[in-house]
Amino acid sequence: EDQVTQSPEALRLQEGESSSLNCSYTVSGLRGLFWYRQDPGKGPEFLFTLYSAGEEKEKERLKATLTKKESFLHITAPKPEDSATYLCAVENRDDKIIFGKGTRLHILP
Amino acid sequence: DAGVIQSPRHEVTEMGQEVTLRCKPISGHDYLFWYRQTMMRGLELLIYFNNNVPIDDSGMPEDRFSAKMPNASFSTLKIQPSEPRDSAVYFCASSFPGLAGAPRFFGPGTRLTVL
Repeated sequence: EDQVTQSPEALRLQEGESSSLNCSYTVSGLRGLFWYRQDPGKGPEFLFTLYSAGEEKEKERLKATLTKKESFLHITAPKPEDSATYLCAVENRDDKIIFGKGTRLHILP
Repeated sequence: DAGVIQSPRHEVTEMGQEVTLRCKPISGHDYLFWYRQTMMRGLELLIYFNNNVPIDDSGMPEDRFSAKMPNASFSTLKIQPSEPRDSAVYFCASSFPGLAGAPRFFGPGTRLTVL
């Protein structure tokens, strides 16, 4: 069965303390991996799509990378406004989208 | 553009009542998705449409749930009769023409509480 596991469930960092969030996946024929940011009380906001191992995408302090088994969302020198839940999702060969349960990130000033 | 619009934002109802959630996608988008989010199960796809036609409704929990898209600018998700286990946040999302895969733009959600 296709599945997506995100770790850690929650992460507290000091402002400026860089770290990485993990998204491990088991999927039949990966067609794409997606990262979203979700603020409390709002819908997810699309961040990145990655299609193949070795691919990287960057946006401000965020960089997403992809291997054959997992993806990392690296956060460099985070600021309090980066606090949110980060969701990972994969699309399999049958066009099914499977979401992970997310990592709650809290950046302390 | 105002983004994806959902109404109501909050709905509290009693078990057995009919609930209708509404969505207006971004103009020009031809994919529309309905998702449900709970703490236990995370974000789950219920159904999605392409050009107003339901493509995959395998995520619809049971016959109590139904979704329609009568035109390109409006969709509804109906639950009849509602049950306490239907309590969740329901999101509508839309995507660009020709761009399948994960949805690009989510609405703010409808928080449903069934007592």
